[in-house]
Amino acid sequence: QAGLTQPPSVSKDLRQTATLTCTGNGDNVGDQGAAWLQQHQGHPPKLLSYRNNNRASGISERVSASRSGDTASLTITGLQPEDEADYYCSAWDSSLRAWVFGGGTKLTVL
Amino acid sequence: EEQLVESGGGLVQPGGSLTLSCLASGLTISSYWMTWVRQAPGKGLEWVALIKGDGSDKLYVDSVKGRFTISRDNAKNSLYLQMSNLRADDTAVYYCAAERVGDFDLWGQGSMVTVSS
Repeated sequence: QAGLTQPPSVSKDLRQTATLTCTGNGDNVGDQGAAWLQQHQGHPPKLLSYRNNNRASGISERVSASRSGDTASLTITGLQPEDEADYYCSAWDSSLRAWVFGGGTKLTVL
Repeated sequence: EEQLVESGGGLVQPGGSLTLSCLASGLTISSYWMTWVRQAPGKGLEWVALIKGDGSDKLYVDSVKGRFTISRDNAKNSLYLQMSNLRADDTAVYYCAAERVGDFDLWGQGSMVTVSS
């Protein structure tokens, strides 16, 4: 089953803004959007935002999500050391009848 | 506190079988779609299987069809994954997750499955 496309890595300076992207097609991201998850090394994933771009409970207002066509984006402002993690997008593929994930983006905060 | 706790992982030989369990506490899972997601060492997330709240609908990733079976016992507030004919590429941490608002918004800590001779 085809997955979503994410850049493998993004590096940004402390207190800067990072925008991560996730590209799919009309059957997944373009249909219902993408959710975003954060995973720190050795820990389970944590939901940051839902496919409707609403933040999950307890998630900082520095995190926001959006979508344009078949591409979803996650923006984190005022980067902090604790934002350094792997970020995954996920979407329901209505054609495959399956969940699909992106390969993940490793965010490094310099 | 709402939590999901996986158990049942371990070392198994190729071709062997294993059953994972996921016990929910602090929440009732009967109305939620539940999912298994795995992560091979150093790799990304891969969706494995999902099951509707009443167990009437089950879906699997192609690579596990015919080998894995997802099930649930709502009376025990538990989710299961029966795995058979295991292969080396099934080696991964297996997470259970609840879709309470349509996305994976509650995750367990994971259970490691190693397939090796």
